[in-house]
Amino acid sequence: DADVTQTPRNRITKTGKRIMLECSQTKGHDRMYWYRQDPGLGLRLIYYSFDVKDINKGEISDGYSVSRQAQAKFSLSLESAIPNQTALYFCATSDPQTPNYGYTFGSGTRLTVV
Amino acid sequence: KNQVEQSPQSLIILEGKNCTLQCNYTVSPFSNLRWYKQDTGRGPVSLTIMTFSENTKSNGRYTATLDADTKQSSLHITASQLSDSASYICVVISYNAGNMLTFGGGTRLMVKP
Repeated sequence: DADVTQTPRNRITKTGKRIMLECSQTKGHDRMYWYRQDPGLGLRLIYYSFDVKDINKGEISDGYSVSRQAQAKFSLSLESAIPNQTALYFCATSDPQTPNYGYTFGSGTRLTVV
Repeated sequence: KNQVEQSPQSLIILEGKNCTLQCNYTVSPFSNLRWYKQDTGRGPVSLTIMTFSENTKSNGRYTATLDADTKQSSLHITASQLSDSASYICVVISYNAGNMLTFGGGTRLMVKP
């Protein structure tokens, strides 16, 4: 099984719909992140969480919200999806106790908003 | 603003040939620099991690260099294989805000037979 699992892998949704992307991890890491990747651009940070009670906005949080249900679970929600939120979304974890803060990425969720 | 720029944006080479990818950054204060390989439809996977004091680091046929004075890094791929076809992403970590990552836009490499 993958260390960081994202569901669904692909999703097509209509403008205005609410959608949730889920991430679960077996790494035992406290820190979790949601990134967005657009063609030709670097990954950009949406939200991050350093533990269950900690939620922080990233570079591009507008239009998104998150929930950290447990150490292993971090969900990203689009309350009212719009076409420019079409992108590849990645969840990641990190452990500050490992050398150089090892990061592990999920396989991504490809979201299309029509 | 912290930035990471990579060149070229895309590259096509023949199997067995070598290639070098470039990365320039303006991230400060610098903690470490990483190169990731991202296969199509997959998440990035770490190839190398270099701290300020390291000039070069190898991982099989991949060799990364770092010049912290000029804020440049390169990734050299030797004897390319078809499986090297992927995007290669340069990522720099800064000693602030919880050691967040700044990503370059990546170089898309295609290795042809």
